[in-house]
Amino acid sequence: QLQLQESGPGLVKPSETLSLTCTVSGGSISRSSYYWDWIRQPPGKGLEWIGTIYNSGSTYYNPSLKSRVTIFVDTSKKQFSLKLSSVTATDTAVYYCARRSVTDGFEIWGQGTMVTVSS
Amino acid sequence: ETVMTQSPATLSVSPGERATLSCRASQIVSTNLAWYQQKPGQAPRLLIYGASTRATGIPARFSGSGSGTEFTLTISSLQSEDFAVYYCQQYNNWPPITFGQGTRLEIK
Repeated sequence: QLQLQESGPGLVKPSETLSLTCTVSGGSISRSSYYWDWIRQPPGKGLEWIGTIYNSGSTYYNPSLKSRVTIFVDTSKKQFSLKLSSVTATDTAVYYCARRSVTDGFEIWGQGTMVTVSS
Repeated sequence: ETVMTQSPATLSVSPGERATLSCRASQIVSTNLAWYQQKPGQAPRLLIYGASTRATGIPARFSGSGSGTEFTLTISSLQSEDFAVYYCQQYNNWPPITFGQGTRLEIK
């Protein structure tokens, strides 16, 4: 059964770059029928879609974050990664990676990783 | 951007009773609408996709309906494990994919 696991620093300083990696186990990351997404959730708040990567390199980002976000994939390691630059306290959130199919919504989620932006 | 609005913000229902949660889209999303359940400290879990199709392993007491801009999630007979926060999400008009703000289902 396919599983996702986020990893990365839990604390990032303001103005620096947040970097997270999602490792895929129990299945392939290369199938073209799936999107690989990042979603975040500030403490006590709702879900915000960050962006997606598919077809081993094509990306779409949330326009509200587009200028600061990069998502990329390393198929040899079965990982996809998120970089969010120039972070502020408002970027403090639980960050989830997830797999989405074209028609079925976010079927599989990682457990999430809390990232705090603070000096 | 397609704004998703859920109502009510909080719903108080007794175990064994029916719960009806609503979701409205600011633009037509066809049936490209999903529902998720989230419990404290956990990732969201997909319940419904395509507005009305239950995801794998989801009990039959969960049902979804609607199309266009108006959607409903119904839980026919609430069990203790169903008390959680529920989110709707559209994947018709993207980017960005958008979520509703959530409905908290609490025990009455």
